[in-house]
Amino acid sequence: GENVEQHPSTLSVQEGDSAVIKCTYSDSASNYFPWYKQELGKGPQLIIDIRSNVGEKKDQRIAVTLNKTAKHFSLHITETQPEDSAVYFCAAVSGANNLFFGTGTRLTVIP
Amino acid sequence: NAGVTQTPKFQVLKTGQSMTLQCAQDMNHNSMYWYRQDPGMGLRLIYYSASEGTTDKGEVPNGYNVSRLNKREFSLRLESAAPSQTSVYFCASSVQWVQYFGAGTRLSVL
Repeated sequence: GENVEQHPSTLSVQEGDSAVIKCTYSDSASNYFPWYKQELGKGPQLIIDIRSNVGEKKDQRIAVTLNKTAKHFSLHITETQPEDSAVYFCAAVSGANNLFFGTGTRLTVIP
Repeated sequence: NAGVTQTPKFQVLKTGQSMTLQCAQDMNHNSMYWYRQDPGMGLRLIYYSASEGTTDKGEVPNGYNVSRLNKREFSLRLESAAPSQTSVYFCASSVQWVQYFGAGTRLSVL
């Protein structure tokens, strides 16, 4: 099955700085890569996703890049704000269209 | 529009007890999922249902059973709870590949 690795496990940035979270995957057939944000006591919520026919996608302060040759994808958050503090998960779809998740990154934005 | 609703929110069980976690979605999605979330391990798929009347094992199905009662409801049953099943359980439903999660059930097995 798919193996998704995510780094770093924790990340602290000053408010206004950028944050980057990186993931690698093992199944070259994977073609959908979502990112989820999980706030304390809540379920994960989709914030952005990318499909394998594009290399980059942006939504305001959030962007995702995909390198299919190297089998890695990254989440970029610019101009971070305290409300960006949360746990972020990457995922990749594989097999019977099921998602395999990374182990999460706890992002802390310091005011 | 509530999305995905899970009950209960919290539960404490003794080893060997049984219980059913309930999940319902009001988005008319065909696919539904049960995950468990453990510290440092992300979310792992227990069972999924691609459509009403079908269920399949995920990555960690041992010790669990599921029922897709109708298109809206997908329940997860622990027949004889073990301390290793202490976890946070999430239900999700999806349209194409986009999954929508409930708020979770925090389960402790003593």
